[in-house]
Amino acid sequence: GAGVSQTPSNKVTEKGKYVELRCDPISGHTALYWYRQSLGQGPEFLIYFQGTGAADDSGLPNDRFFAVRPEGSVSTLKIQRTERGDSAVYLCASSPGQGYGYTFGSGTRLTVV
Amino acid sequence: GESVGLHLPTLSVQEGDNSIINCAYSNSASDYFIWYKQESGKGPQFIIDIRSNMDKRQGQRVTVLLNKTVKHLSLQIAATQPGDSAVYFCAGAGFFQKLVFGTGTRLLVSP
Repeated sequence: GAGVSQTPSNKVTEKGKYVELRCDPISGHTALYWYRQSLGQGPEFLIYFQGTGAADDSGLPNDRFFAVRPEGSVSTLKIQRTERGDSAVYLCASSPGQGYGYTFGSGTRLTVV
Repeated sequence: GESVGLHLPTLSVQEGDNSIINCAYSNSASDYFIWYKQESGKGPQFIIDIRSNMDKRQGQRVTVLLNKTVKHLSLQIAATQPGDSAVYFCAGAGFFQKLVFGTGTRLLVSP
């Protein structure tokens, strides 16, 4: 597609439930990033994929968070046993992989009630 | 650890004025910097970028200045318009490294 697509745009879930957030990057972009943004804050890095592998997952807050990119294109961020503190906007970005040209999607607003 | 931070949380200007938004970074390994604009409910939108081998880059109505000596960069917006009202973030990265964002500056443009 022309841009980075994230679905759903909004997700409301109950505390303790499992959620999946999807990111469809720009075609041909080898690098994919997940960020989390709380209200009034800058995006906070979660994980970075180069191709199919996670090149840097140092930003994942705990083992309830997991992300995959099995075919080197679409990525899914998975959150188990959601907590109210997980409520935030989850942003995905992709780039050609040379450390430039990052393009962000519009994000998924996750609300845990 | 590395950080990219902003000096002012809110900047209020009059339409037609020039705006300057400042940013400091701490990671000497950062060699690529981006300015993003973010409107409510939207993802960050690329404005302009600069590599560490440059000290100035110009776009349409925007200029980014990089001072590596004091680890500072700024975004200058000429003839600011109401449509420029948004939160502006700077972000820095090393080669093949993740972008690190600052907390943002809210630009308010009054007609």
